Order: sequence, then C-alpha cells, then structure tokens
Amino acid sequence: TQLLEQSPQFLSIQEGENLTVYCNSSSVFSSLQWYRQEPGEGPVLLVTVVTGGEVKKLKRLTFQFGDARKDSSLHITAAQPGDTGLYLCAGGLNSGGSNYKLTFGKGTLLTVNP
Amino acid sequence: EAQVTQNPRYLITVTGKKLTVTCSQNMNHEYMSWYRQDPGLGLRQIYYSMNVEVTDKGDVPEGYKVSRKEKRNFPLILESPSPNQTSLYFCASSLWEGSPLHFGNGTRLTVT
Repeated sequence: TQLLEQSPQFLSIQEGENLTVYCNSSSVFSSLQWYRQEPGEGPVLLVTVVTGGEVKKLKRLTFQFGDARKDSSLHITAAQPGDTGLYLCAGGLNSGGSNYKLTFGKGTLLTVNP
Repeated sequence: EAQVTQNPRYLITVTGKKLTVTCSQNMNHEYMSWYRQDPGLGLRQIYYSMNVEVTDKGDVPEGYKVSRKEKRNFPLILESPSPNQTSLYFCASSLWEGSPLHFGNGTRLTVT
C-alpha cells in the first residue's frame, strides 16, 4: 500500500503554462518535504512544510500543506524548461519514541517543452 | 563544498560477485541512509544509521549489509548480488533523522 500518492504521475506542458501537482495520504504527517530530481542526479530539497495550512513560496513555486496535514500541493507559475524533473514529496511520521519515518511518494515527472 | 559522495557512479557486475558501494559525507551529519530507486516503485529505503555503530533495516534490506564505523562513511555491501538488485542506488545524509536529506548523485548498478 502506497502511503503517499502523487498525481499526476507524468505531466508534459509548454513553456509559460501553469501547473499543480499533488501529494495525498490518509495519514497525518508531522512534516512534508518536496524534492526535485534532475536526470543523472540525486534529489535536491526544495522546501519543508510543518504547519497545517502553511504556504511557502520559492520564486515561481508555491507549496501548500493541507490544514489536516494529510496532503500537499506544488504549484508552478509560468513553467520554464529548467523546471523539468522528477518532483518527489516525502512525508515524515513520528512512530513513537525517537522513531521517525520518512516515506517518499513515487513522484511526478514533469517535462516543460520550449 | 558540502556534499555526499558515492562511488562508483556506474557498476556492472555478475551474479554472486561481492561488491561495495562507498558513501561519504563532509557535513558532520548524524543520520545516513541508503535508498534504491526503481521505475514504478519510487525511492525505497534499504538501511539507515542514526549514528556511529548504530544501523537499522529500512523497507527493503534483504541482500544488503551496511556498516557505520566512522561518522562520515556509510558503505553499502552486496555479499552475493543478484539480478533483482539491478537498480539506481542513492546514499543520503541529514543532521538527524527527519531533517532534510542531502543525496549523493547515485550509483547505477547492473547485475547480470
């Protein structure tokens, strides 16, 4: 059972378009991280959100954490070819004591065509 | 430059031939972890280490070993590789378990 569902799985758009990708779960997370992975490289952290309802902006990227801390979205305005990559969300769960589990979604592969 | 360094980047081997993938970080991070990334399955955790001499199994530990004798190094050992271990492997580190991860650039392993 996939704890974190990302949608869409694939997205191909033209330069200048806007897009939103989603990360959903039935579990409540203590934090949620978004990463971008470019071909031939490891994932790189974009943002961490920790408070329900939190909105963070990183230039043309807007990240939102759901009020119930079960879901998150990433909105990109005026996408550029440099935004192409695999976008991964990762939810953090405290499983008791000092145990903390970070679970990754399968990712959204975004292609922005010039 | 703060980084996680994995070696080798590419490795082709045969079934049963022991191999080690090295991982080193220069950020004095407590936490280190190994993942494998497969199409349709995403990133899955193999092993992790909360600190020196402390390691634990992740979600897919079968067929792998790790050690954490020094804070900076966390090698992944495949004692007897099999074709189902063909994958893209990532080492990652963070200040503590739960803080943002810094990933290496990956090791693409092919076992024939």
